Amino acid sequence: QKEVEQNSGPLSVPEGAIASLNCTYSDRGSQSFFWYRQYSGKSPELIMSIYSNGDKEDGRFTAQLNKASQYVSLLIRDSQPSDSATYLCAVNMPRGNKLVFGAGTILRVKS
Amino acid sequence: GAGVSQSPSNKVTEKGKDVELRCDPISGHTALYWYRQSLGQGLEFLIYFQGNSAPDKSGLPSDRFSAERTGGSVSTLTIQRTQQEDSAVYLCASSFFRMGFSRSGNTIYFGEGSWLTVV
Repeated sequence: QKEVEQNSGPLSVPEGAIASLNCTYSDRGSQSFFWYRQYSGKSPELIMSIYSNGDKEDGRFTAQLNKASQYVSLLIRDSQPSDSATYLCAVNMPRGNKLVFGAGTILRVKS
Repeated sequence: GAGVSQSPSNKVTEKGKDVELRCDPISGHTALYWYRQSLGQGLEFLIYFQGNSAPDKSGLPSDRFSAERTGGSVSTLTIQRTQQEDSAVYLCASSFFRMGFSRSGNTIYFGEGSWLTVV
């Protein structure tokens, strides 16, 4: 089992819709979770971090964490074509503080 | 500096040659990571430095790869006898980490990467 798993996609949504991106992780002791966005040819940039169960909202983005299910998600409301990118889930491994990334989900927002 | 700085930004090298990639982390950041990303692929963890602790080298793909971090700041990733499969972008990232503050200190910030092409 991979330490962090994501559906590679592509996930296609129409402009204005909600995009839902999902991620599962293997180490139940993980405490820190991150979503990064990566445009083609660019470095990943941090969108959100979440540490507690529940929802965390920041503008059009909502991160959701369920530690019992070892599941973290990212919702993007009112999706825009500029949101088209690869979204990377990252989880902090408790042993050694290593940050492990999933393979990423490609999101395409169609205008 | 203001951000993570990497050099060179692009490197084309012949198969069999050695290459050195440099990373200058954000000032004050104690943790430094190297990742590799091949075209269309996810981020592959290579090595992690945290303060004066022994580095986590568990991601280095072979003994041709090595990295060091001098003075707790600048890091150099060295690839010996490069192969074509080493072609990728090598990303460096840093974070400010303090023991006992595992939450807020774990956000990492990436450099722009060093694009390596082995021909």
